[in-house]
Amino acid sequence: GAVVSQHPSRVICKSGTSVKIECRSLDFQATTMFWYRQFPKQSLMLMATSNEGSKATYEQGVEKDKFLINHASLTLSTLTVTSAHPEDSSFYICSAHAGTSGSNEQYFGPGTRLTVT
Amino acid sequence: GQQVMQIPQYQHVQEGEDFTTYCNSSTTLSNIQWYKQRPGGHPVFLIQLVKSGEVKKQKRLTFQFGEAKKNSSLHITATQTTDVGTYFCGGGTSYGKLTFGQGTILTVHP
Repeated sequence: GAVVSQHPSRVICKSGTSVKIECRSLDFQATTMFWYRQFPKQSLMLMATSNEGSKATYEQGVEKDKFLINHASLTLSTLTVTSAHPEDSSFYICSAHAGTSGSNEQYFGPGTRLTVT
Repeated sequence: GQQVMQIPQYQHVQEGEDFTTYCNSSTTLSNIQWYKQRPGGHPVFLIQLVKSGEVKKQKRLTFQFGEAKKNSSLHITATQTTDVGTYFCGGGTSYGKLTFGQGTILTVHP
């Protein structure tokens, strides 16, 4: 099956610094990648939709200047949390969509646990 | 905006008992997908339903999509301890994008 990797798996950073999270589709080309945020025992909240070569589409309430998304290639999307604050601590998960006809299946990465101190 | 509600939030069962989780959307869906997330893990795709009234089975799991394409259910027959996890439904209205329900956390007591 399709594999999506995420790096790093865990990161601890100080308040005010920026953190970059990478999401890669390893064995397929992802026309679209999605970035989610998940709090403990809660659902996946879609933050933004990332299409290769174009600007990301952010969900209502998500600050695009704080959560910078770049989808430079069909296999890589990055999420940069700028000027991180403790309230940004969360589990960030990406998913990739191959875009093949008839299939809307999303392949999820293993997630990144961000802790801001 | 679109909302997807999922119930129950928690379900505790004895091994061997059945389990059902329900998903309801505020709008008509083009498809619905089900995912399972094990404790400490990431969501893993289970199935996608597209047609009105569709029923699909995977061994002990039965998935249904309502006639109006606004609700869905996942039923597990004779649960096993390996079924433990959180089950999410994701409602799709536009190509690729999903709105997830809150998830149902299933615990199975041996």
